[in-house]
Amino acid sequence: DTGVSQDPRHKITKRGQNVTFRCDPISEHNRLYWYRQTLGQGPEFLTYFQNEAQLEKSRLLSDRFSAERPKGSFSTLEIQRTEQGDSAMYLCASSLAMGYGYTFGSGTRLTVV
Amino acid sequence: AQTVTQSQPEMSVQEAETVTLSCTYDTSESDYYLFWYKQPPSRQMILVIRQEAYKQQNATENRFSVNFQKAAKSFSLKISDSQLGDAAMYFCAYFSGNAGGTSYGKLTFGQGTILTVHP
Repeated sequence: DTGVSQDPRHKITKRGQNVTFRCDPISEHNRLYWYRQTLGQGPEFLTYFQNEAQLEKSRLLSDRFSAERPKGSFSTLEIQRTEQGDSAMYLCASSLAMGYGYTFGSGTRLTVV
Repeated sequence: AQTVTQSQPEMSVQEAETVTLSCTYDTSESDYYLFWYKQPPSRQMILVIRQEAYKQQNATENRFSVNFQKAAKSFSLKISDSQLGDAAMYFCAYFSGNAGGTSYGKLTFGQGTILTVHP
């Protein structure tokens, strides 16, 4: 297992289009997190899963955002009707247990034009 | 909600010298963890060091060590014998272990400090 994988690495989309990102966590990690990071800022929490259950969703996440983790394995983050303000790096991370830190993926950089 | 503050947007250090990055946090919880993460330019974030709040001993990982002052809610990172590869954005992060709290189970990050290492 080589770590957390995210696909695609980069995505350019037109405003109003829908986009979907995928994250494959480390296989034995039961917790999976999505964060958003804008240039020069720290990551902001979006949502997290324990196995297939979505335990928390940030107020930052509007109704246009949805995340799933079917069968507790990979996860997808979908943004509907993208806006220019959605342009950011979307980071996925996974962890085995509470308090042991996350392993991050390389992120998906979204540009909405 | 917990907050993490990194008051130094940028720091620089000469190669082989020592540099200290500052971090303060605000919490009323007793059960938490603190982390320093490193994010090199255009590369993924990696864990540098971890500290459990109930441990008085400061964590150390090779050239990286922390000064954890629980009463002052301060968690600084010291990098000794700085190397060119240490150049990156460094993030301080707080993880709540208090079940039922608003920040339970997730990392809260500071704004980051850009570290430049001069040869």
